[in-house]
Amino acid sequence: DAGVIQSPRHEVTEMGQEVTLRCKPISGHNSLFWYRQTMMRGLELLIYFNNNVPIDDSGMPEDRFSAKMPNASFSTLKIQPSEPRDSAVYFCASSLAEGGSEQYFGPGTRLTVT
Amino acid sequence: AQSVTQLDSQVPVFEEAPVELRCNYSSSVSVYLFWYVQYPNQGLQLLLKYLSGSTLVKGINGFEAEFNKSQTSFHLRKPSVHISDTAEYFCAVINTGGFKTIFGAGTRLFVKA
Repeated sequence: DAGVIQSPRHEVTEMGQEVTLRCKPISGHNSLFWYRQTMMRGLELLIYFNNNVPIDDSGMPEDRFSAKMPNASFSTLKIQPSEPRDSAVYFCASSLAEGGSEQYFGPGTRLTVT
Repeated sequence: AQSVTQLDSQVPVFEEAPVELRCNYSSSVSVYLFWYVQYPNQGLQLLLKYLSGSTLVKGINGFEAEFNKSQTSFHLRKPSVHISDTAEYFCAVINTGGFKTIFGAGTRLFVKA
């Protein structure tokens, strides 16, 4: 298995632009997580999907952020409009839903908003 | 609610020396415990996990951790570190009936030659 795939790996955009991050989870995994990592705030859970359904989006910072999972093999995280404070590394992770299952992280997307 | 405290933000150590990275957790229910490692410009990957049974858990790359329920700790150890162990290490906890993994703030291990 190729692991969790994220694209793009790097994204540089100007403030006000729309940004879409993409994730392909490991085949057979039914849980998907989006995280944001910054030096100041560490690793933050943004949203969690189980069987393609959003279960907890309490970590989504504000309405500018949205996430979808149209099928078991694809998810997107969209920021519109983007702001400089959104600059961070965004990770997607997937796992089985069984208790005690570890999460498998993608390589991350480094987002820079100027 | 659960919480995780990693007591050291940075740990410098010489190559071939032993190391311990400390982790304490707080929870009112039973939990599973994990250690993840993050190498530069990569995502997190699992080092080891404790679900039940023996309190001494062995992981990859020679790391081990001991679950201590009375002290609510899950410290990570390695008897002899290599330069290649330089990375950030995250302790994490999830309650046995839940989905939300709580990660600690991370400990940056820096191995010096």
